[in-house]
Amino acid sequence: AQKITQTQPGMFVQEKEAVTLDCTYDTSDPSYGLFWYKQPSSGEMIFLIYQGSYDQQNATEGRYSLNFQKARKSANLVISASQLGDSAMYFCAMRVFNAGNMLTFGGGTRLMVKP
Amino acid sequence: DADVTQTPRNRITKTGKRIMLECSQTKGHDRMYWYRQDPGLGLRLIYYSFDVKDINKGEISDGYSVSRQAQAKFSLSLESAIPNQTALYFCATSESGQGQNEQFFGPGTRLTVL
Repeated sequence: AQKITQTQPGMFVQEKEAVTLDCTYDTSDPSYGLFWYKQPSSGEMIFLIYQGSYDQQNATEGRYSLNFQKARKSANLVISASQLGDSAMYFCAMRVFNAGNMLTFGGGTRLMVKP
Repeated sequence: DADVTQTPRNRITKTGKRIMLECSQTKGHDRMYWYRQDPGLGLRLIYYSFDVKDINKGEISDGYSVSRQAQAKFSLSLESAIPNQTALYFCATSESGQGQNEQFFGPGTRLTVL
């Protein structure tokens, strides 16, 4: 079975600083994808970034980058130059392509950006 | 207009009542999903459908049923609601196949069962 672990229930970061949100995953299947979603206080789920298990380079999307360390089974989200609007819950998720293609979510990390 | 819509957005009901949550999408995706989110927790999959004739149970399907009325519509029913089904419910859609195919989520339905 697939499992996603986010060990940081809550984090603070100073505005304009970078922050890393941790995510580790567990699967024995070689073909999978890793996703990060943002959930602001309004409740919607916003897709941020994707990393495929065979992708050679770490994914980047604007101020978001994914620090993918395959051997360590980690897929940490790095947010550069934090903004007040980055305050939200962040969820790491995984989909194993040969196991039904279901999305398994971690428990989330609440990020709070301080002015 | 939103690509994935859910109705109602909020619902308060009593134990034992039948409730239906509806989801519609204009993205043209084949795959649709229902999740629930409990406070402070991640999302858990209730049911999913890969096309109109395909319905599958997810991690926590007990107490729920679904209907895929059309490619664009996927409804979730609670036959006899109970208080521990109080949660935030999300519908999501995605394209078929492997690869990125991220899921697009509706705005959520906040359900309270008294």
